Amino acid sequence: DSGVTQTPKHLITATGQRVTLRCSPRSGDLSVYWYQQSLDQGLQFLIQYYNGEERAKGNILERFSAQQFPDLHSELNLSSLELGDSALYFCASSVGIKSSPLHFGNGTRLTVT
Amino acid sequence: GDSVTQMEGPVTLSEEACLTINCTYTATGYPSLFWYVQYPGEGLQLLLKATKADDKGSNKGFEATYRKETTSFHLEKGSVQVSDSAVYFCALSGENTGNQFYFGTGTSLTVIP
Repeated sequence: DSGVTQTPKHLITATGQRVTLRCSPRSGDLSVYWYQQSLDQGLQFLIQYYNGEERAKGNILERFSAQQFPDLHSELNLSSLELGDSALYFCASSVGIKSSPLHFGNGTRLTVT
Repeated sequence: GDSVTQMEGPVTLSEEACLTINCTYTATGYPSLFWYVQYPGEGLQLLLKATKADDKGSNKGFEATYRKETTSFHLEKGSVQVSDSAVYFCALSGENTGNQFYFGTGTSLTVIP
């Protein structure tokens, strides 16, 4: 058990809808990362937060947004969903200092129909 | 920018065969290097790490040595088991990038009895 909790585990929704994915980091970790994993594109970095502030941005679409709250949990909001957004979305957390590893949750599987 | 190049898969081996998965990196300074493993239906788990040149990371019979001169971090195991079947990801965290991670594309390993 990595200590990172993601909810929900599965999500099925229709095109055009909006969903929110939630992540609780490991106790003591200040940094949260979001990744998208699809069969054809591998693991894509979306965004990183450190102690509530955005630290780095990857290939995150404008339809997607995220935030990290004062209690350090994070939410990833996906709107105007398209079929191509179907993927596994992983949250990871770390202490946030150099050489500290990432600890991954088990992911949210999003299916857009 | 920083990047990781990982051996293409899939790889299929017989039980007790030797495994090598190649990983090379591009980074300035002294990044930290990691191998993660993803079992079916699960998130990525840290397998091993090395934080400076000539360090050897090891865990569960897997080893990888941080080679600065060849910018490599190849994953090795002397005798694989069926339970090692998974996807393996090489990753780096840059020295001055705020603990930002760069992942390889993953190598799928199947071990047959």
